[in-house]
Amino acid sequence: EAGVAQSPRYKIIEKRQSVAFWCNPISGHATLYWYQQILGQGPKLLIQFQNNGVVDDSQLPKDRFSAERLKGVDSTLKIQPAKLEDSAVYLCASSSNRDRPLGYTFGSGTRLTVV
Amino acid sequence: SQQGEEDPQALSIQEGENATMNCSYKTSINNLQWYRQNSGRGLVHLILIRSNEREKHSGRLRVTLDTSKKSSSLLITASRAADTASYFCATGVNTGKLIFGQGTTLQVKP
Repeated sequence: EAGVAQSPRYKIIEKRQSVAFWCNPISGHATLYWYQQILGQGPKLLIQFQNNGVVDDSQLPKDRFSAERLKGVDSTLKIQPAKLEDSAVYLCASSSNRDRPLGYTFGSGTRLTVV
Repeated sequence: SQQGEEDPQALSIQEGENATMNCSYKTSINNLQWYRQNSGRGLVHLILIRSNEREKHSGRLRVTLDTSKKSSSLLITASRAADTASYFCATGVNTGKLIFGQGTTLQVKP
């Protein structure tokens, strides 16, 4: 089974620029998550999709972050404009059934550096 | 917001010794999961224990859960240098959302 694919692996941008990350979950996984992991901390949930609907985006800074999951498969996370404090690893994860969790499968993440 | 608090923050042991990490949480949970993260890599799911379970084993891993104390522990027996990584507990709620702790950094010296 192929894993969760994320791209790019690394990105360096200047503050106030925009950036987008892409995630392709495991085939058939209905639930997709984006997490932000700041260095030295545990991951923090930004947004959770069930198919192409949003389940939880309570911690997504909506003034600058947006995410979509078209057709309930791939997802993109965008930051516009970026701030220095957005420097982090952005992790995408998917799971097959949120009602009977068997654990998430995480992608390798995108490491964002804002300078 | 972070729910789990992990203890210790860092742990250094010799190969062959056992490593124990503890996790405490604040709210009711559906399940508790442990993940490993190697430096610069994604998280790998290790084990899941449901709220009605007290202990679970997987290979060299043993997880306990005490819902009355809102705490869990992860024991890695006969540690190896390859076990060097950060370990995170994460509490699962009914929506499928996971809330992660701050993690324990484990160093296993050969």
